[in-house]
Amino acid sequence: DTAVSQTPKYLVTQMGNDKSIKCEQNLGHDTMYWYKQDSKKFLKIMFSYNNKELIINETVPNRFSPKSPDKAHLNLHINSLELGDSAVYFCASSQSSAGAYEQYFGPGTRLTVT
Amino acid sequence: SQKIEQNSEALNIQEGKTATLTCNYTNYSPAYLQWYRQDPGRGPVFLLLIRENEKEKRKERLKVTFDTTLKQSLFHITASQPADSATYLCALGWGGGADGLTFGKGTHLIIQP
Repeated sequence: DTAVSQTPKYLVTQMGNDKSIKCEQNLGHDTMYWYKQDSKKFLKIMFSYNNKELIINETVPNRFSPKSPDKAHLNLHINSLELGDSAVYFCASSQSSAGAYEQYFGPGTRLTVT
Repeated sequence: SQKIEQNSEALNIQEGKTATLTCNYTNYSPAYLQWYRQDPGRGPVFLLLIRENEKEKRKERLKVTFDTTLKQSLFHITASQPADSATYLCALGWGGGADGLTFGKGTHLIIQP
């Protein structure tokens, strides 16, 4: 059973388009995250959600909008895609927003903007 | 400025030896530190967590230390095997898990047979 899953695995699109990435976790966790890993492999937090509510938004352009329909899902919608958005996007989850817990990562979505 | 540094981009170790990876940070005061393993084309996988009031943690062949005075964590893999070859990421965390983690760039470890 996959703990954290993402779709699609690969996404190739043109500048200016709008796209979405879906994430689901079956671990019963309260907190979910989106991270971006750029071409230099640097992994950076974008968003954090706890029980469907946005906790942090780390200076991400408002072209990126996360949506959490329920505790198990956190989707990422990106408007007006730019070349600089090309990266691997990882969804992750953790048991709780309070205290120190390990995070479980999905397999990633490689986004290529041409 | 705030910085997390992990030792050299690549580390070559002979099979059977102990691999030691370093994570240094400046201008942070983390409540805990985590280590993750990342294989090519995959998401990071959690290995160990150590809190600011703990000096050392062990799990099978893995050991992590945390020195808040030196602002440094060391990650050791004893009796290293070629299957241990991967990128290892150090990540800092704060009081609430919802803050997310701040990652270093990682060290690419290569265990040579």
